[in-house]
Amino acid sequence: NAGVIQTPRHKVTGKGQEATLWCEPISGHSAVFWYRQTIVQGLEFLTYFRNQAPIDDSGMPKERFSAQMPNQSHSTLKIQSTQPQDSAVYLCASSHSHSGNTLYFGEGSRLIVV
Amino acid sequence: GQQVQQSPASLVLQEGENAELQCNFSTSLNSMQWFYQRPEGSLVSLFYNPSGTKQSGRLTSTTVIKERRSSLHISSSQITDSGTYLCAMEPDNNNRIFFGDGTQLVVKP
Repeated sequence: NAGVIQTPRHKVTGKGQEATLWCEPISGHSAVFWYRQTIVQGLEFLTYFRNQAPIDDSGMPKERFSAQMPNQSHSTLKIQSTQPQDSAVYLCASSHSHSGNTLYFGEGSRLIVV
Repeated sequence: GQQVQQSPASLVLQEGENAELQCNFSTSLNSMQWFYQRPEGSLVSLFYNPSGTKQSGRLTSTTVIKERRSSLHISSSQITDSGTYLCAMEPDNNNRIFFGDGTQLVVKP
């Protein structure tokens, strides 16, 4: 069991460019969550999928952020026209179901927008 | 987040001392978990503990649902325990999982 795999681990992007982050959940887990962590805001919920379907994206900034889960083995978080305030560690987690099970986190993708 | 209040925000211990970390919730909960965040950022699940007491080595977690609180007790602290401890709760009327702001623990030799 390789755990939740996130790539890239680090990404530096120029303001206005696009950034795509990938997450491979633990095999057999049906729920995938995306969080963002900054020193100021702490861990913020962004969105989550259950059985590949988007269930709750209420934490996503509406205009430039999007997330997809095209198959059970990976999810992507895309940020268009990145801004310096998007700089954060983006964490992906998976669990056996959306409720009542342990969350397993990846090691995160640190995004720096310059 | 406001639904989860953690205390203390930071804690400095001498190696060997015990620590008690607290988490209070503003709503009734369906589940809660304790996580340890390593200095480099990776999160490790310590306990999934929606109610009652669980122990793993030097760590003990106790959740009292009626009082909407959970605690994490670290006994005989070690330098390698240093890091951030986060609690997370899933309200019983919401799909989201809310995290506290964490307790930063430093254990000195």
